[in-house]
Amino acid sequence: GAVVSQHPSRVICKSGTSVKIECRSLDFQATTMFWYRQFPKQSLMLMATSNEGSKATYEQGVEKDKFLINHASLTLSTLTVTSAHPEDSSFYICSARGGGSYEQFFGPGTRLTVL
Amino acid sequence: AQSVTQLDSQVPVFEEAPVELRCNYSSSVSVYLFWYVQYPNQGLQLLLKYLSGSTLVKGINGFEAEFNKSQTSFHLRKPSVHISDTAEYFCAVSDRGGGSNYKLTFGKGTLLTVNP
Repeated sequence: GAVVSQHPSRVICKSGTSVKIECRSLDFQATTMFWYRQFPKQSLMLMATSNEGSKATYEQGVEKDKFLINHASLTLSTLTVTSAHPEDSSFYICSARGGGSYEQFFGPGTRLTVL
Repeated sequence: AQSVTQLDSQVPVFEEAPVELRCNYSSSVSVYLFWYVQYPNQGLQLLLKYLSGSTLVKGINGFEAEFNKSQTSFHLRKPSVHISDTAEYFCAVSDRGGGSNYKLTFGKGTLLTVNP
């Protein structure tokens, strides 16, 4: 099956710093990648959708200047949380979809803790 | 716009008992339907999906679900659960047209707790 990895799995940072999370499709070309945020005991909230080589499309209420998404290749997307604050602490999950396919494959998630 | 309602936030059951996790959806377009499972601190794993054809779909780990168009439901069932089935279960829909990049809309999740 299709495999999606995320790195790092956990990150702890100080308030005000920026954190980059990588999402990679290991055995397929991901034309579209999605970034989700999940608060404890809650559902996944879609933050943004990115197509390779294009600017990401952000969902309503998501600050695009705070959550920078880059999808520079068919196997890699990155999410950078800029000037992180404690309220940005959350579980971030990416997923990837290949061209022409409806199915998304999910990464294992990244636990961000901002002190 | 689409929405998904999972009627039960928590479902406790005893081991080897049957279980049904309920899911209803609303959409103005035709949809694909999915059930995912999430274990603590992990990503989502696809249990099963309905695309077309037979309304009864079988997935991994002995789970099955039935699509009911008239009731706009896609309930998940398992005839006999194990302790290892304890997890969070999410129902999700995406539109068939692909115009939205097949974005998924998730329900709020149901925590299934299997007790010995």
